Amino acid sequence: SAVISQKPSRDICQRGTSLTIQCQVDSQVTMMFWYRQQPGQSLTLIATANQGSEATYESGFVIDKFPISRPNLTFSTLTVSNMSPEDSSIYLCSVKYNNEQFFGPGTRLTVL
Amino acid sequence: AQSVTQLDSQVPVFEEAPVELRCNYSSSVSVYLFWYVQYPNQGLQLLLKYLSGSTLVKGINGFEAEFNKSQTSFHLRKPSVHISDTAEYFCAVSPQGAQKLVFGQGTRLTINP
Repeated sequence: SAVISQKPSRDICQRGTSLTIQCQVDSQVTMMFWYRQQPGQSLTLIATANQGSEATYESGFVIDKFPISRPNLTFSTLTVSNMSPEDSSIYLCSVKYNNEQFFGPGTRLTVL
Repeated sequence: AQSVTQLDSQVPVFEEAPVELRCNYSSSVSVYLFWYVQYPNQGLQLLLKYLSGSTLVKGINGFEAEFNKSQTSFHLRKPSVHISDTAEYFCAVSPQGAQKLVFGQGTRLTINP
């Protein structure tokens, strides 16, 4: 299995600021994924992060709002930029490893 | 495109009773099917998956699910639930050959003593 850690586990931020979430996996993986889980709702894919190339964003998500870095095969960051209360969610990192998708514990973000 | 519908947002049951959590999907291509569980304040954990072969799939913690292609369903069952099964359960599909998962809205399973 793949073990994923995320930092921070939770944060409370002011409107208009930005937060960078880190995701570390204990195995080398080709693809990493970032999901958002809004309060009381299901998970929605934000983007797929490939090492050495630009991230691929899903409909409704743009790079200016959610810039992603993928410097190597075990690490990725997601930045939530110019935050508003509507960005309050749990952000989860995920990887596909041995044909199974593993999820990190999530980062619980509250924007005031 | 794919979509997943979990027909019940909440399911309350008594301890040791059987439970079924319903999941229907829509897709124009063949898909793989998954059930994930999210315990309070924790990340998602894979319960079981259907990739091919037998339509009855057994997972962890005594759960099983049956893939019904004609009804495009993948319902999750457990013959006798325990208090520790209290969690949010998510059904998900992945188009064969693709990497991403499309999730249903989730079903909150509450076990009453």
